[in-house]
Amino acid sequence: EDQVTQSPEALRLQEGESSSLNCSYTVSGLRGLFWYRQDPGKGPEFLFTLYSAGEEKEKERLKATLTKKESFLHITAPKPEDSATYLCAVQALDGGSQGNLIFGKGTKLSVKP
Amino acid sequence: SAVISQKPSRDICQRGTSLTIQCQVDSQVTMMFWYRQQPGQSLTLIATANQGSEATYESGFVIDKFPISRPNLTFSTLTVSNMSPEDSSIYLCSGRSGPQTQYFGPGTRLLVL
Repeated sequence: EDQVTQSPEALRLQEGESSSLNCSYTVSGLRGLFWYRQDPGKGPEFLFTLYSAGEEKEKERLKATLTKKESFLHITAPKPEDSATYLCAVQALDGGSQGNLIFGKGTKLSVKP
Repeated sequence: SAVISQKPSRDICQRGTSLTIQCQVDSQVTMMFWYRQQPGQSLTLIATANQGSEATYESGFVIDKFPISRPNLTFSTLTVSNMSPEDSSIYLCSGRSGPQTQYFGPGTRLLVL
């Protein structure tokens, strides 16, 4: 069964304290891995798509990397405005024409000034 | 990218009644989806809204409970029928315009008393 597990469930950082969020996945074949940011009371906001092992994407203080079994979202020198829940989702090759996304439960990040 | 809006943003409903949620996309999308997100939980796909034909439902969701319409490429509705307190959740509309990138609306927060 296709599965996505994110860790930790919650992470508290001081402003400027770099860290990483983990997304491990089990899927027969990976079509794509997606990272979203979700603020309280809002819908998920698209951040990155990764397609193959070794691929990296960057956006401001965020950098996403992908291996054959997991993805990391690295946060460099975070600021309080980076506080949010970060969601990981995978799309399987055998997901059919609909290509449904399978989501993890997310990591809730809090950055204190 | 696609900008997705939903109406209503929130509602409080009585047990046994029905609520229709509207989803509007600012550009044509090939696929539209409806998700449910319960507190502290991951996103769960309810169904794929197909233009001009019956929606495709995921296991555990049925058309009588969650009828869906999609009259064109930019609009869809989800009805939550005969509501019970267990239906209290956030309902999210999502659209995909390219082969993989998927965008989300702000969500509709539903409380059933």
